[in-house]
Amino acid sequence: QVQLEQSGAEVKKPGSSVKVSCKGPGDTFSRFAISWVRQAPGQGLEWMGGIIPIFGAANYAQKFQGRVTITADKPTRTAYMELRSLRSEDTAIYYCARIRILGILDLWGQGTTVTVSS
Amino acid sequence: DIQMTQSPSSLSASVGDRVTITCQASQDISNYLNWYQQKPGKAPKLLIFDASNLETGVPSRFSGSGSGTDFTFSISSLEPEDFATYYCQQYDNLLRFTFGPGTKVEIK
Repeated sequence: QVQLEQSGAEVKKPGSSVKVSCKGPGDTFSRFAISWVRQAPGQGLEWMGGIIPIFGAANYAQKFQGRVTITADKPTRTAYMELRSLRSEDTAIYYCARIRILGILDLWGQGTTVTVSS
Repeated sequence: DIQMTQSPSSLSASVGDRVTITCQASQDISNYLNWYQQKPGKAPKLLIFDASNLETGVPSRFSGSGSGTDFTFSISSLEPEDFATYYCQQYDNLLRFTFGPGTKVEIK
């Protein structure tokens, strides 16, 4: 089944950074935008930001402005989400998702667990 | 920013029951509203897009309606595999998203 493939689980110290990758099949990065969504333990879904790889243009939720950077590498069909100045509240599962047309998230990665702990 | 509310936050129902969840936006979002199902330990799955369109491969017992600020999601006859958490999600033409807080559908 077609899926976005994400990098493995990470354990980080407070104050450090994490970079999660998301690889897409075929022409994903030439036709679709990619969004990042996180889910803290027992909580709901929270949109972080996204990127249109063919333009290299990214946008971010206000909550994460200045602390997150989303990039994409078209030749390797991989998107990245880097979150800096990690704190315990950033412990969550981070998902990438493909955006079909406007705001429809139709294909998701399996999720990457990021644990922030001293 | 647009805020999304969902009700109820949880419900208990039996197999065969009809289930209805509502989602309200803090301002007019036209039909820019999607519904997702999430099971424990799994990524969300798209069920309904643009308020009322059934995603390919999704059973017809799922449906959605509404426009503007008020939306409804229904399961006509609950199946055992439908016990999950359901989220509404709005988007705008700048590719900004907001999710509702979710509705957990549990077995009665």
